[in-house]
Amino acid sequence: KQEVTQIPAALSVPEGENLVLNCSFTDSAIYNLQWFRQDPGKGLTSLLLIQSSQREQTSGRLNASLDKSSGRSTLYIAASQPGDSATYLCAVNSGGYQKVTFGTGTKLQVIP
Amino acid sequence: SQTIHQWPATLVQPVGSPLSLECTVEGTSNPNLYWYRQAAGRGLQLLFYSVGIGQISSEVPQNLSASRPQDRQFILSSKKLLLSDSGFYLCAWFRISSTDTQYFGPGTRLTVL
Repeated sequence: KQEVTQIPAALSVPEGENLVLNCSFTDSAIYNLQWFRQDPGKGLTSLLLIQSSQREQTSGRLNASLDKSSGRSTLYIAASQPGDSATYLCAVNSGGYQKVTFGTGTKLQVIP
Repeated sequence: SQTIHQWPATLVQPVGSPLSLECTVEGTSNPNLYWYRQAAGRGLQLLFYSVGIGQISSEVPQNLSASRPQDRQFILSSKKLLLSDSGFYLCAWFRISSTDTQYFGPGTRLTVL
C-alpha cells in the first residue's frame, strides 16, 4: 500500500525566502506525482505534474523534482510571497484511476 | 475549458438526517469522477470513483453511497448521517488518460451536529 508523507507539516518564512517542501512515498512504482495548492476552505489547484519518466517540472517560481528510486519529491518555491501562503499537497498516482494517494500537506505561511 | 461545480458549498445537518451532495462537470464528456473526503489534519480519502454512468466503485466501507445518473453528474448520499461524516467533500475528475492532471471542484463543507 502506497504511503505518502509530507514534512514539515507547517512552515513559516519571511517574504523573499526560497524554500523547499518535501514529499516522500514508499512504493517507487508510480505513474506520476502531482503537487497541489489548497487555500483555506477551497478545492485543490494543480501546480505541477511530473510523469514517472521525468526528473523535474517548472512553472514560474515553482520547480518540482522527482527521484523515484529514493521515493522523494521536492517543491521549490523561489522568492516567496505572502500570496504563496496556503497548504501544499503532494499526490502520488500508483496505478491509474483509483490509486492516487495524497499526503497530509504542508501548511505554508509567508510573513510580509 | 473544463469546470467542476459542487453544491451546496456548506451544509450543517443533524445526526441521523439524510444527505445529498451534487457534483457536475462541464466541458468534457465521459469523465472519470471521484468523491474524496478531507477530515481535519488528515489527507484526502478516496470514497468513490466512477468510470461511467451507473458504474460506481467504493473504496471505503461506510454509510455513504454514490450514484452517477448522468455522464457529467455525480451524487454523494447518505440515509442517516453520523458525527464522523463531518468533513470537507471534494469532487474531482481525470481526463481519459490516467497520466493526466486531476481537477478538483470547490468542495462542500459538511458539519454534522
